[in-house]
Amino acid sequence: RKEVEQDPGPFNVPEGATVAFNCTYSNSASQSFFWYRQDCRKEPKLLMSVYSSGNEDGRFTAQLNRASQYISLLIRDSKLSDSATYLCAVPRGSQGNLIFGKGTKLSVKP
Amino acid sequence: GAGVSQSPRYKVAKRGQDVALRCDPISGHVSLFWYQQALGQGPEFLTYFQNEAQLDKSGLPSDRFFAERPEGSVSTLKIQRTQQEDSAVYLCASSLVGQALSSNQPQHFGDGTRLSIL
Repeated sequence: RKEVEQDPGPFNVPEGATVAFNCTYSNSASQSFFWYRQDCRKEPKLLMSVYSSGNEDGRFTAQLNRASQYISLLIRDSKLSDSATYLCAVPRGSQGNLIFGKGTKLSVKP
Repeated sequence: GAGVSQSPRYKVAKRGQDVALRCDPISGHVSLFWYQQALGQGPEFLTYFQNEAQLDKSGLPSDRFFAERPEGSVSTLKIQRTQQEDSAVYLCASSLVGQALSSNQPQHFGDGTRLSIL
C-alpha cells in the first residue's frame, strides 16, 4: 500500500450535491491528518486539520477511521467555488514533513 | 507580509544552468519545508529546516540540489546543472513550531516557483 492514497477522480457533481472523498494511509501510528485545497496553478491551502475522530467547519466535515486507516472529507451543498483539487496529507515522523496523496479533483457544475 | 512568500514566481532556464529559488517564511515560524510538485501529482518532500539547521534532506533527488537557511528565516533552494526532469513547481511551507511538535502543526504554503528547464 502506498503511504497516502486518494481516488484521483474527477468527481463531477451538480451544485447543491453532497460529495465525499476518501484518503487511505499506511502508517497506523499517524496522529494528525490534513486536508488541503489546491486551485489550478495555485498553492495548497489548508482546509481542515484532523487530530481525533473528526472535524467540522461549515459545509465541510472530515472523519477519521483509525481501524480502517482512512480519513474522509464530506462537502455538503456544493458550490461552484468548491471546484478544485483536494489533497490529503499525513505527517511523517516527528518533524512533520507531509506525505501527500495525488489529490482528488472536484468539478461542481451549474 | 502575512504569508509565505516565494520568488521568482516563474523561472525558465536552459539545461545545464544553475538556478536559485527563494522562500521567505511567515515571520517567527521555526520550521521550513521545501516540496517539489510535478504536474498531476501531490507535493513531494525535499528538505526540512528547524531554524537554521537542516535536519532532513532525504528528499533531495540528487547532489545537484542544495538548500540553506543561514539565519533561520529566508531559505534558498539551489539547483545546479539543471536537467529537464527538474521542471516542476517548487513549494515552500512553514509552520510555527519545531520538530517533535511540528507533526501536529499545519503547514502554510507559498504560491511556489514554477521552474521550466528547456
